[in-house]
Amino acid sequence: GENVEQHPSTLSVQEGDSAVIKCTYSDSASNYFPWYKQELGKGPQLIIDIRSNVGEKKDQRIAVTLNKTAKHFSLHITETQPEDSAVYFCAASRGGYQKVTFGTGTKLQVIP
Amino acid sequence: ETGVTQTPRHLVMGMTNKKSLKCEQHLGHNAMYWYKQSAKKPLELMFVYNFKEQTENNSVPSRFSPECPNSSHLFLHLHTLQPEDSALYLCASSQAQGQGYETQYFGPGTRLLVL
Repeated sequence: GENVEQHPSTLSVQEGDSAVIKCTYSDSASNYFPWYKQELGKGPQLIIDIRSNVGEKKDQRIAVTLNKTAKHFSLHITETQPEDSAVYFCAASRGGYQKVTFGTGTKLQVIP
Repeated sequence: ETGVTQTPRHLVMGMTNKKSLKCEQHLGHNAMYWYKQSAKKPLELMFVYNFKEQTENNSVPSRFSPECPNSSHLFLHLHTLQPEDSALYLCASSQAQGQGYETQYFGPGTRLLVL
């Protein structure tokens, strides 16, 4: 089955700096890669996703890149703000009836 | 709010108790999921229902019993749990399985403590 590894497990950045979270996956047939943000006391919320037919996707301050050859994808947050502090999860799936496999999460702390 | 609600938000139970977790989605979705979230571990998929039919049971012990009476409601019945079952139980929904890359919408979870 699919295995998703996520690094780092914790990340502290100064407000205004950039943050990068990296994930690798094992199943070359995976073609859908969502990223979720989980704030304290809440469930995970989708913040951005990328399909296998594109290499990069951007939404305001967040962007995701995908390298299918190397089987890794990354989340980039620019101009970080204190409200970006949360746990971020990457995930991978073949889509359709296949389950989504999640990484172990990265706790991001943005220091004001 | 994501449109997925869960009750109760917190639950403490003894190993001999029977309790139920409830999930309701107001998004018009047809697929619903139960996940277990433990510290420092990936989200673990437990059960999937698609149009009220169970399509996945991820080797979950029988002390967890799901029920999906309709596409909007999902229950998780608990009995004779073990302390290692203490975790955050998350419910999610999506449009339907098998129709593409379905985004899952999560509820806030039920924090369960088994004594």
